[in-house]
Amino acid sequence: NAGVTQTPKFQVLKTGQSMTLQCAQDMNHNSMYWYRQDPGMGLRLIYYSASEGTTDKGEVPNGYNVSRLNKREFSLRLESAAPSQTSVYFCASSESRGNQPQHFGDGTRLSIL
Amino acid sequence: RKEVEQDPGPFNVPEGATVAFNCTYSNSASQSFFWYRQDCRKEPKLLMSVYSSGNEDGRFTAQLNRASQYISLLIRDSKLSDSATYLCVVNVRGSYIPTFGRGTSLIVHP
Repeated sequence: NAGVTQTPKFQVLKTGQSMTLQCAQDMNHNSMYWYRQDPGMGLRLIYYSASEGTTDKGEVPNGYNVSRLNKREFSLRLESAAPSQTSVYFCASSESRGNQPQHFGDGTRLSIL
Repeated sequence: RKEVEQDPGPFNVPEGATVAFNCTYSNSASQSFFWYRQDCRKEPKLLMSVYSSGNEDGRFTAQLNRASQYISLLIRDSKLSDSATYLCVVNVRGSYIPTFGRGTSLIVHP
């Protein structure tokens, strides 16, 4: 029962480096999401993909790009990492528009020095 | 006014106590509601959906009041393991984006 799988679980980067966070789900869900969560803060939506082939900005998209590679996979890319992007990143998926709950991966803890 | 509001707490209760949290929402087009549990530095996990008629899962009871636009979560016979942050989530009809509350912190002590 893998559900939503995120890699890596931990990463330390230097300012200006780039990296891609990977997310895959095996529940045949149409919609996928990327969130960040900072200490003492709620979840903030970065980007989402309502269905394969589409992506849209969320609340805090600046500094990020995404790719919906296929129905299973949704990646998040930091082109030039900044210390303000130090956070815990969660990927989530859900079955359909708004009616079903989201299922979350166990997160990627990213530190940018 | 925030779309989804929760009392951040913390609610500090002894083992065995009954505790209740409320969550208010502002959009009358909200159609589906959920409670999630989030442990420190872990991912949110679905605790239960909230149905119009109210629903129960063991020690947990969820209720929806559409007229007053709030949902509630009642935890009976609290356990130490119930200590966590409880997130309220609201989905608006026709939207792909759920709205999360900031969460209510619960601490159950011996």
